[in-house]
Amino acid sequence: GAGVSQSPSNKVTEKGKDVELRCDPISGHTALYWYRQSLGQGLEFLIYFQGNSAPDKSGLPSDRFSAERTGGSVSTLTIQRTQQEDSAVYLCASSREATTEAFFGQGTRLTVV
Amino acid sequence: SQKIEQNSEALNIQEGKTATLTCNYTNYSPAYLQWYRQDPGRGPVFLLLIRENEKEKRKERLKVTFDTTLKQSLFHITASQPADSATYLCALIHGSSNTGKLIFGQGTTLQVKP
Repeated sequence: GAGVSQSPSNKVTEKGKDVELRCDPISGHTALYWYRQSLGQGLEFLIYFQGNSAPDKSGLPSDRFSAERTGGSVSTLTIQRTQQEDSAVYLCASSREATTEAFFGQGTRLTVV
Repeated sequence: SQKIEQNSEALNIQEGKTATLTCNYTNYSPAYLQWYRQDPGRGPVFLLLIRENEKEKRKERLKVTFDTTLKQSLFHITASQPADSATYLCALIHGSSNTGKLIFGQGTTLQVKP
């Protein structure tokens, strides 16, 4: 695709359910990032992939959060046993290399009720 | 602790004036610093990248400076227009320039009044 694609664009889930968010980066981009943005707040770093490996998982808020990337392409962010405080926009970005500009998807708005 | 600080207060200026936004960082030694624009409900969009050995970078009405001694970057928009109203984020690479993660400041909201 032409840009970074995230799905779903909106997700409403009940507290305690698991959710899976998907990110399709730009083809050929080796670096992939996940961020969380609450209303009116900045971008909170969650995890970073270089290829299929995640050198830095320090931003994951708890062990309910996990992410993987397969084939150096698609990434999924999984939140288990969702809580209301998980409600936010989850943004994915990719870049050709770690040092070049990052291209963002439109985000997934997650609402936990 | 490591911090990237941007003025959390909104910047309000008159159309045609120059807007200057500040990004300060603590306990980082970035090789690169980037600036992004974010509009409500959208993901950030890349504007400019400046390297540590570059003092200044320009792109149309935008200018970025990078002072590694002061640990500060300034972002200028000249001849500002209402369409420039948005939140502007600075970001830097933390860690090795080849394997580091991209960390963002909180952003400064700019409002340009006609």
